[in-house]
Amino acid sequence: EDQVTQSPEALRLQEGESSSLNCSYTVSGLRGLFWYRQDPGKGPEFLFTLYSAGEEKEKERLKATLTKKESFLHITAPKPEDSATYLCAVRGSGAGSYQLTFGKGTKLSVIP
Amino acid sequence: DSGVTQTPKHLITATGQRVTLRCSPRSGDLSVYWYQQSLDQGLQFLIQYYNGEERAKGNILERFSAQQFPDLHSELNLSSLELGDSALYFCASSGSSGHSYNEQFFGPGTRLTVL
Repeated sequence: EDQVTQSPEALRLQEGESSSLNCSYTVSGLRGLFWYRQDPGKGPEFLFTLYSAGEEKEKERLKATLTKKESFLHITAPKPEDSATYLCAVRGSGAGSYQLTFGKGTKLSVIP
Repeated sequence: DSGVTQTPKHLITATGQRVTLRCSPRSGDLSVYWYQQSLDQGLQFLIQYYNGEERAKGNILERFSAQQFPDLHSELNLSSLELGDSALYFCASSGSSGHSYNEQFFGPGTRLTVL
């Protein structure tokens, strides 16, 4: 069974204070690791897909990296508008290969 | 805006009742997925349809059912509702092949409150 664990559960940063969010996963045959951003009461917003260890993707102040066991979402010089819950999900090649398995998310608060 | 639409936005009903949630996928997407999000469980996969046929089932209760119509919109039917069914219900869609099949785009959700 695919599993995703995200840490920390919550993170408070001062504006401009860079940090990283962690996503640890176990999956049989990774077919993709996904990062989403979710604002309160809204649907998850797709950010990145990573497919193999060593891959990196960037978008504005966000950079996602992938190893064989973990993914990190690095946030550089965050702004208050980056405040949201960040969700990590995996798709494996096992019996549940059509679905995404999500972690419980990291709630990020950026203080001006 | 992901291009996925869901109606209604909010739904308040009583225990024992039945409701229907509706989803229209992004233009051209053949796959529709339904997820339930509650405070303690996070996002849980319920069911997937691909071009009108059921493709995968997750943690979906027997009281819940879904279908996808020829125009590709999908409906999730929840019956004999219980207090614990109160949650956000999301629909997502994805393309038909390769990386576009992999990436799921979510709608704004339906907030269901069972009283």
